[in-house]
Amino acid sequence: AQRVTQPEKLLSVFKGAPVELKCNYSYSGSPELFWYVQYSRQRLQLLLRHISRESIKGFTADLNKGETSFHLKKPFAQEEDSAMYYCALSFDSIQGAQKLVFGQGTRLTINP
Amino acid sequence: KAGVTQTPRYLIKTRGQQVTLSCSPISGHRSVSWYQQTPGQGLQFLFEYFSETQRNKGNFPGRFSGRQFSNSRSEMNVSTLELGDSALYLCASQGGGAGGELFFGEGSRLTVL
Repeated sequence: AQRVTQPEKLLSVFKGAPVELKCNYSYSGSPELFWYVQYSRQRLQLLLRHISRESIKGFTADLNKGETSFHLKKPFAQEEDSAMYYCALSFDSIQGAQKLVFGQGTRLTINP
Repeated sequence: KAGVTQTPRYLIKTRGQQVTLSCSPISGHRSVSWYQQTPGQGLQFLFEYFSETQRNKGNFPGRFSGRQFSNSRSEMNVSTLELGDSALYLCASQGGGAGGELFFGEGSRLTVL
């Protein structure tokens, strides 16, 4: 079954330190992976997708098919990065439509 | 462009009652998905509608149902409410194209007493 695992429910790092949020997926086909973020009192929103291979707010994520991972990284964390982060996998369902499943989320706290 | 709008934002019900939540997608978006968000389970997919047809369904009991209207607005209904149904219910709309970005509403927070 398709599954996304985020092993850390909570992650706390100091400002200026590197941060890595882990995401592993289970899917036999060709995955499309995303990171969504929810800042305090804001809506859940897309942060980045692996297909675009871009850096958003200093964050990058590389798809590693061998390790079935899509870890989110930032070299120097900032206080405004504190938020809830969700990794998500999009795949073709039996019904032929795209379906998106989320991991359980990681709450990232950046300490001053 | 107005974002995804969900109503009501907060509601309190008692066990055994039923509830209907509403979602208005971004104009032009034909796909609407519903998710249940809880601290313990995270985001769990309920169902997805496209052009008034349910295309995908998550692993929730039949007490959870939904529908989509011709104007793409969607409703979800939960009957015979249980304490465990207390959660934030999120609606998301999606524009055309596979793997497109989901745009989320602020959610409807349901408390079941």
